[in-house]
Amino acid sequence: QVQLQESGPALVKPSETLSLTCTVSGGSMTNAYLGWFRQPPGKGLEWIGYFEKSGTAIYNPSLKNRAIISPDTSKSHFSLKMSSVTAADTAVYYCTGGWGWLVDYWGQGTLVTVSS
Amino acid sequence: EVVLTQSPGTLSLSPGERATLSCRASQSVAKNYLAWFQQKPGQAPRLLISGASSRATDIPDRFSGGGSGTDFTLSISRLEPEDFAVYYCQQYATSPLTFGGGTKVEI
Repeated sequence: QVQLQESGPALVKPSETLSLTCTVSGGSMTNAYLGWFRQPPGKGLEWIGYFEKSGTAIYNPSLKNRAIISPDTSKSHFSLKMSSVTAADTAVYYCTGGWGWLVDYWGQGTLVTVSS
Repeated sequence: EVVLTQSPGTLSLSPGERATLSCRASQSVAKNYLAWFQQKPGQAPRLLISGASSRATDIPDRFSGGGSGTDFTLSISRLEPEDFAVYYCQQYATSPLTFGGGTKVEI
């Protein structure tokens, strides 16, 4: 059974870059869609983007080109970098994997707070 | 962008009762690529239904999804204590992928 685990700093300063890593275990995600979602405290879910098996990435336009998703060559890890963060980026961030745009696997989530 | 509107915002019911949740899309969802998720506090979303009506693996048959085009429903035939949670619909047909605002099913 594939498992995903997010890791990275829990606190990021405003205007800096948020960096998270997702570690994949229990199976191969070589031909999968690797993604990130987020959920501000007490609010709903938002899609950030996918790195597709074709090698291209697609992102939610609401993030205004601030997000980059990239895997390592084996796809055993993949990362999210989001630049110029503000308090509005405070959220639980989930990494995901799937064989299409429907998510098959979710990480447990990691809370990232943007604050000085 | 496909906007999903869920109603009601909160549903107050008792165990054993039937729950009916609604999800309306601002435009037709292609191929009925509409999913329902359950989320409990501190947990990741759990997939219940995909393709509008197909139950995911290990999901009890008291959960059922229906609808097509722009109007979708999630029904829970007899609420169990563990079903009290927040439910989200999501369309995964068109980028950007979008979610409804959620329906909280509470006792």
